[in-house]
Amino acid sequence: LAKTTQPISMDSYEGQEVNITCSHNNIATNDYITWYQQFPSQGPRFIIQGYKTKVTNEVASLFIPADRKSSTLSLPRVSLSDTAVYYCLVFKGSGGYQKVTFGIGTKLQVIP
Amino acid sequence: EAGVTQFPSHSVIEKGQTVTLRCDPISGHDNLYWYRRVMGKEIKFLLHFVKESKQDESGMPNNRFLAERTGGTYSTLKVQPAELEDSGVYFCASSLNSGLSTDTQYFGPGTRLTVL
Repeated sequence: LAKTTQPISMDSYEGQEVNITCSHNNIATNDYITWYQQFPSQGPRFIIQGYKTKVTNEVASLFIPADRKSSTLSLPRVSLSDTAVYYCLVFKGSGGYQKVTFGIGTKLQVIP
Repeated sequence: EAGVTQFPSHSVIEKGQTVTLRCDPISGHDNLYWYRRVMGKEIKFLLHFVKESKQDESGMPNNRFLAERTGGTYSTLKVQPAELEDSGVYFCASSLNSGLSTDTQYFGPGTRLTVL
């Protein structure tokens, strides 16, 4: 499994755009990058997944450069409810079974 | 559509007792996973079922832990006898096994186990 590295914590004011970068230097050709969000006392929640370039959904955008050794989760105009831990994960692109390894994640604190 | 559910949400037991955690995956999901987070540590993989078969038990800490998924629907995780270090939050997740390049894992809310 590709190891990921991301900042332990970040602070942001409400209304700002937040970018969380994750490095995954030993990502394999068939691996996908996936981000989860976790609120206290809840299970991790899927946010977004991508392979290359840019992916956008109603929650976030994911930017992946050509070498795929890093990725950036972008949260537009964060609110207090976006305060959570964000995990960057690398999934093997072989389908079916995915043995997920969670790191410490990035604890995002949104400030009023 | 109902998400992954887990029961109970909290359990407090004494050392040496037995506890059984239950997970109901999303209907139609063949893959079911158990994870655990102990205090201050990362979420760690415990095991993976495909339908009723155990695919990977490499994360199970020891033989005091027994997971079952009879009939390929819900799963139980039994800890017998429980030890203090078993305290933590136990998460269950499920995924479709659609054959696509990746299947998203959907997590339940977790069961917080406290062993006194």
